[in-house]
Amino acid sequence: QKEVEQNSGPLSVPEGAIASLNCTYSDRVSQSFFWYRQYSGKSPELIMSIYSNGDKEDGRFTAQLNKASQYVSLLIRDSQPSDSATYLCAVNKGTGRRALTFGSGTRLQVQP
Amino acid sequence: DAGVIQSPRHEVTEMGQEVTLRCKPISGHNSLFWYRQTMMRGLELLIYFNNNVPIDDSGMPEDRFSAKMPNASFSTLKIQPSEPRDSAVYFCASTPTGELFFGEGSRLTVL
Repeated sequence: QKEVEQNSGPLSVPEGAIASLNCTYSDRVSQSFFWYRQYSGKSPELIMSIYSNGDKEDGRFTAQLNKASQYVSLLIRDSQPSDSATYLCAVNKGTGRRALTFGSGTRLQVQP
Repeated sequence: DAGVIQSPRHEVTEMGQEVTLRCKPISGHNSLFWYRQTMMRGLELLIYFNNNVPIDDSGMPEDRFSAKMPNASFSTLKIQPSEPRDSAVYFCASTPTGELFFGEGSRLTVL
């Protein structure tokens, strides 16, 4: 079992719709969770971080965390073609400056 | 503010040659990470440093790989000798607290 699992996609949604990206992790001691966006040929860019159960909203993005189910999700409202990218889920097993374990990413395509 | 700076951006070399990748972290960030990304294996941690000290190098593939961080503003990743299977994008990242900030990467092609 991979430590961080994501559906590779592609996930295709029409412009203006809500895109829902999901991630599960295997280690119950994980404490910090991150979503990165990576455009083709570019480096990963941090979108959201979440540390406690529930929802965290930032503009069109909402991260959701359920530690009991070991599940993290990212919702993108009013999806735009510019949101088309690969979204990487990352998990930190402890607090502080430890390495992140990344999922393989979900490719999102927003159709104009 | 300058982000994480990596060089070279692209490197093409022949099998058996030595490759040195360089990284300058964001000023004030005390942790530095080297990751490798391929289509098959995704983003894999190679090694990370806290306050210039290597903490976890379990991801370094074999003895051909070595990394150093002589001071807070500079790190190198060296591959000697290089092999075609080392072809990948190598990312350096730094952080002050947990979320990683990535450089633009060094794309390595070993022929």
